[in-house]
Amino acid sequence: GAVVSQHPSWVICKSGTSVKIECRSLDFQATTMFWYRQFPKQSLMLMATSNEGSKATYEQGVEKDKFLINHASLTLSTLTVTSAHPEDSSFYICSASAGAAYGYTFGSGTRLTVV
Amino acid sequence: AQRVTQPEKLLSVFKGAPVELKCNYSYSGSPELFWYVQYSRQRLQLLLRHISRESIKGFTADLNKGETSFHLKKPFAQEEDSAMYYCALRTNQGGKLIFGQGTELSVKP
Repeated sequence: GAVVSQHPSWVICKSGTSVKIECRSLDFQATTMFWYRQFPKQSLMLMATSNEGSKATYEQGVEKDKFLINHASLTLSTLTVTSAHPEDSSFYICSASAGAAYGYTFGSGTRLTVV
Repeated sequence: AQRVTQPEKLLSVFKGAPVELKCNYSYSGSPELFWYVQYSRQRLQLLLRHISRESIKGFTADLNKGETSFHLKKPFAQEEDSAMYYCALRTNQGGKLIFGQGTELSVKP
């Protein structure tokens, strides 16, 4: 079945630094990737949608200059949290889809802690 | 407005009891609905989608357009069903999924 690999699974960084999270589709071409943020025992909040080769579409209230998304190939999307602050600490999850006729495959998530 | 509502944050039942996790949606178009499950420390997994009309792990869900609901049901809950369950709606805006708040199902022995 479809597999999405997300790395790192957890990361601790200092305030003011940047962190990059990778999301790879291992056995299919992901035309669209989605990035979510999840708080403990709460829903997944969509941050942005990215299509290969295009600029990401951000949801209302998400700072695009803070959360940089790159989807340079059909198998890789990255989320970079720039100038991280403690309030950015969260669980970030990516999801990949091969198109409207297909489902969504989720990564295992990245626990970001900013100290 | 596009919205998915799961009114129960926590549902606790005993093993062997029937379980129903509620999901209501608001969407102006033709909805495509999913149920996802997240076991402890694992990634989100697709449980079922309404267009498949299949039963997975004994769970079923029927789309009721009149009541705008897509409740998840299982006649006899098992302890291994304990997990977070999310109802999701696929929109026609780039295919993005909108998730409900999630319901934590706890099945006690």
